[in-house]
Amino acid sequence: AQTVTQSQPEMSVQEAETVTLSCTYDTSENNYYLFWYKQPPSRQMILVIRQEAYKQQNATENRFSVNFQKAAKSFSLKISDSQLGDTAMYFCAFWLNRDDKIIFGKGTRLHILP
Amino acid sequence: KAGVTQTPRYLIKTRGQQVTLSCSPISGHRSVSWYQQTPGQGLQFLFEYFSETQRNKGNFPGRFSGRQFSNSRSEMNVSTLELGDSALYLCASSLAPTGRYGYTFGSGTRLTVV
Repeated sequence: AQTVTQSQPEMSVQEAETVTLSCTYDTSENNYYLFWYKQPPSRQMILVIRQEAYKQQNATENRFSVNFQKAAKSFSLKISDSQLGDTAMYFCAFWLNRDDKIIFGKGTRLHILP
Repeated sequence: KAGVTQTPRYLIKTRGQQVTLSCSPISGHRSVSWYQQTPGQGLQFLFEYFSETQRNKGNFPGRFSGRQFSNSRSEMNVSTLELGDSALYLCASSLAPTGRYGYTFGSGTRLTVV
C-alpha cells in the first residue's frame, strides 16, 4: 500500500525561527509527485510547494523549501523566518501515476508563537 | 478569478437521512475530486470526475455517490447517514484530468450527523 507518514502530530516554534516538518512515504513506483499543503483555520487547503520525483533539485517557494531524499523516501518541509500566519495544519501528500490520485498524510499541526 | 466554491458551509443532519453537497470548480477546470477529512482518518479520497465521467473511486461504501454536470459543477450524495459520516468534505478542482500538478481546494462542507 502507498502511504505517507508524518511523525510529528504537533509542533510549536517562536516567530522568526526556522522549523522543519518531517514526512516519509512508501512506494515502489518511480513516477510520482510530492506536495505540501497548508490548512489554516479557514479550512481551505492551500498548495505550498510541489516536487517532481525525477528532479534532484529541491523545490523552493519564498520562505518554504523542501529537502527531498529520494532513496530515503523522505520529503521534509523547512519554513524559514516563520510568521504568525504560518500557523496551520500541514499535510504532506503524493501523487502516483498508477493511481492518479493524491494521498495525504495525517498532518502536523504547527503553532507559531509570538 | 473565483476559487472553488462549496455549499453549504455547515450542515446538520439526522441519522438515516440523506444529504447532497455541492461544489463549483474554478472556471475552466474540468476535473473535480472529493475528499473526506476526519480527525482519526485524515483526508481520504472519495472520487474524481472529469467531463461528467467518474474516473477514479476511493474505498467508500455505495452510500457515497457523486456526479458532475456539463458545466463541471459536481455534487456528492450520502444516503442513509451514519454518525461516522460526520466530517469535513473537501472538493478540489484541477484543469487537467490528473493530480500531478496538485489541486485547488474549496473551504469544505462541515457535515454533522446527530
